[in-house]
Amino acid sequence: GAVVSQHPSRVICKSGTSVKIECRSLDFQATTMFWYRQFPKKSLMLMATSNEGSKATYEQGVEKDKFLINHASLTLSTLTVTSAHPEDSSFYICSASEDDRGSSPLHFGNGTRLTVT
Amino acid sequence: GQNIDQPTEMTATEGAIVQINCTYQTSGFNGLFWYQQHAGEAPTFLSYNVLDGLEEKGRFSSFLSRSKGYSYLLLKELQMKDSASYLCAVTDSNYQLIWGAGTKLIIKP
Repeated sequence: GAVVSQHPSRVICKSGTSVKIECRSLDFQATTMFWYRQFPKKSLMLMATSNEGSKATYEQGVEKDKFLINHASLTLSTLTVTSAHPEDSSFYICSASEDDRGSSPLHFGNGTRLTVT
Repeated sequence: GQNIDQPTEMTATEGAIVQINCTYQTSGFNGLFWYQQHAGEAPTFLSYNVLDGLEEKGRFSSFLSRSKGYSYLLLKELQMKDSASYLCAVTDSNYQLIWGAGTKLIIKP
């Protein structure tokens, strides 16, 4: 089955530093990938839609200069949290679908737990 | 606006059956998904409905009524490992995925 690999699974960083999270589709091409953030006991919050070869589409309220998304190939999207602050501590999850029409299920990475100290 | 409603929390007994409901009001409809999410983990796909009716997959079944904007996930022969959150999500006319807040299912022995 389709697999999405997300790395790292956990990261602890100091306030003011930047952290890069990678999301790879291992056995399929994903022209579109999605980045979510999840707070404890809350549902997924879509942050942005990452489109291969073009700029990401950010949801309202998400700072694009803080959460940099690069989708350089059909199998890799990266999310960089720049100048991280403690309030950025959260569970970040990426997902991808085998089609762009929303009729195939999303395959999720295992998530990245970010802790900013 | 677009809205998906599902109960916040449900409790059921091991070995029993539980039905988790989901109602939606969205701009168009292009399918409904159910995902399972264990605490601290990413969601995993359970089912997809785009036509009315019941889809059965082992112990789990999902039902859809497009005219009523309604779906349910039915879990049979509950096991302790079924304790998780269950997320309902609908694809709208723009193929955007709208997420429900999830239902936390607690299984008691």
